[in-house]
Amino acid sequence: KQEVTQIPAALSVPEGENLVLNCSFTDSAIYNLQWFRQDPGKGLTSLLLIQSSQREQTSGRLNASLDKSSGRSTLYIAASQPGDSATYLCAVNQAGTALIFGKGTTLSVSS
Amino acid sequence: DAGVIQSPRHEVTEMGQEVTLRCKPISGHDYLFWYRQTMMRGLELLIYFNNNVPIDDSGMPEDRFSAKMPNASFSTLKIQPSEPRDSAVYFCASWGHPNTEAFFGQGTRLTVV
Repeated sequence: KQEVTQIPAALSVPEGENLVLNCSFTDSAIYNLQWFRQDPGKGLTSLLLIQSSQREQTSGRLNASLDKSSGRSTLYIAASQPGDSATYLCAVNQAGTALIFGKGTTLSVSS
Repeated sequence: DAGVIQSPRHEVTEMGQEVTLRCKPISGHDYLFWYRQTMMRGLELLIYFNNNVPIDDSGMPEDRFSAKMPNASFSTLKIQPSEPRDSAVYFCASWGHPNTEAFFGQGTRLTVV
């Protein structure tokens, strides 16, 4: 059974710092991996989707990498801003199944 | 498209009452998912449909929970009878294909007192 783990559970940084969020999964046979953002009381917003054949994806200040063989993904946020404060969730998609989520990393960026 | 639409946004009900949550997926999306989110357990998959057919309902916690998708544009999740431990945020999501992004609704916050 696929299990997804995100470390750390919470992270506080000052504005301007670069930071890395980690995601690991136990079964490397995945279609793709998706990173989401969730603001308090809101739904999930997709940030980046990495196909199993890809190594990384970039969108603005966000860069997500995927190492399928080791069961790891990272989300890199450059020059963090207070508006980046939210919970970031990693989810893996295995063939024939739905997205399996980690419990998320709650990020707080102080000005 | 207005995205995935869920109703109601908030529901407060008494223990023992029937609760029905509703979802309208994005037009053209063949997959629909129901998730439940709690602080303790995070996001848990309850059930998902492909082309209106339930594919995996192994996440449905008890027989009190049931889900239907009578057509491509509508799904319901019903809890009967509801219990306080069912209190959570319930999300509906859809995607067109497993290799594309999943889109989530805003969720229904259910409180059972």
